[in-house]
Amino acid sequence: AQTVTQSQPEMSVQEAETVTLSCTYDTSESDYYLFWYKQPPSRQMILVIRQEAYKQQNATENRFSVNFQKAAKSFSLKISDSQLGDAAMYFCAYRLHTGTASKLTFGTGTRLQVTL
Amino acid sequence: GAVVSQHPSRVICKSGTSVKIECRSLDFQATTMFWYRQFPKQSLMLMATSNEGSKATYEQGVEKDKFLINHASLTLSTLTVTSAHPEDSSFYICSARDLSRGGNEQFFGPGTRLTVL
Repeated sequence: AQTVTQSQPEMSVQEAETVTLSCTYDTSESDYYLFWYKQPPSRQMILVIRQEAYKQQNATENRFSVNFQKAAKSFSLKISDSQLGDAAMYFCAYRLHTGTASKLTFGTGTRLQVTL
Repeated sequence: GAVVSQHPSRVICKSGTSVKIECRSLDFQATTMFWYRQFPKQSLMLMATSNEGSKATYEQGVEKDKFLINHASLTLSTLTVTSAHPEDSSFYICSARDLSRGGNEQFFGPGTRLTVL
């Protein structure tokens, strides 16, 4: 079974600074997706960034980028120029590439605080 | 973009009653929808996969007779919590994949907060 581990229950960053959230996963598969989701106080899940395992290039979305290390099964999220609106719970998630019913497996989450 | 709605957003019920939660894909068809439960300060736990026109697939430990799922159309899945008890109080979230857009992303509903008195 696939597992996703987020070892940082809470992180704090000052506004305009950079923070990195860690995620490791365990799988015997070679073709899968990895995701970072943001859950603000409204509880609405928002996709932050997605990485296909077959792509060596790290995904980037504006201020958000990942460091995907397939051999190490590591998938960290870097938030640059942090803003107050980035404060939220962040969940790392894994999904097999194939199958229309393939499901997401979530990590336990990291609560990010952004301070002035 | 793809939008998923849930109704109601919050519900309070008495112990022993049944509660139905609706999940709709507003601008796409979803043959598969997913139901999650999230306890305070915890992660999302998949309860079941809802399949249009067939039986839902439940995760280990989830009582299928207690959490009834009906995926009657390509845009609607319902979760009915039968004979609800206080321990069923939680935040329930649904999601759906838009296969017309490649199906690589799951779109989440805003969630339903259930409180059982």
